[in-house]
Amino acid sequence: GEDVEQSLFLSVREGDSSVINCTYTDSSSTYLYWYKQEPGAGLQLLTYIFSNMDMKQDQRLTVLLNKKDKHLSLRIADTQTGDSAIYFCAEILSGGSYIPTFGRGTSLIVHP
Amino acid sequence: DGGITQSPKYLFRKEGQNVTLSCEQNLNHDAMYWYRQDPGQGLRLIYYSQIVNDFQKGDIAEGYSVSREKKESFPLTVTSAQKNPTAFYLCASSIPGAWANVLTFGAGSRLTVL
Repeated sequence: GEDVEQSLFLSVREGDSSVINCTYTDSSSTYLYWYKQEPGAGLQLLTYIFSNMDMKQDQRLTVLLNKKDKHLSLRIADTQTGDSAIYFCAEILSGGSYIPTFGRGTSLIVHP
Repeated sequence: DGGITQSPKYLFRKEGQNVTLSCEQNLNHDAMYWYRQDPGQGLRLIYYSQIVNDFQKGDIAEGYSVSREKKESFPLTVTSAQKNPTAFYLCASSIPGAWANVLTFGAGSRLTVL
């Protein structure tokens, strides 16, 4: 199976919170990332979390890491139409090539 | 401003032709990467290079070739041996071994085979 799994689509109403989920299979992950891709563009790093952390908050973004369940989530508070994009979860494994492995991406659609 | 420039943005190719996608960075990053993106399949690693004059195959290297003669440049050639080359191609760079190995991406090149 895939190393990093995400659901493909999420639809939310403007002003609501969005929660994008990711599961990974390898417990030796050291870093876990969230990247954002706007239509027709490259990826931009949103945030990352080290595996010994449980939570990281940055303005409207909250990342939660549950190592026991190998589950990573990204919460976007007060979601705006400008947040509509594809969100990629990625991991780096310890002892490997130190190159991120990406999930398939979750398309977030924000409607008025 | 520092960044990664990919060109061309759009490229059309006839079957049987080789094409080369350009990737240039002025970030002074040692590592560079090529990913392929298909709808619903996320990013798949084609090739990567962590130092000049050296590169390694990624997960889907068949039908592709690269060179790394200069630190700033990492061109990707899509050969006629690539059976399904229509895709969005992304180049990235990073400082290998740095904290968290964050990748900086270019804006991408969309290749369409006619």
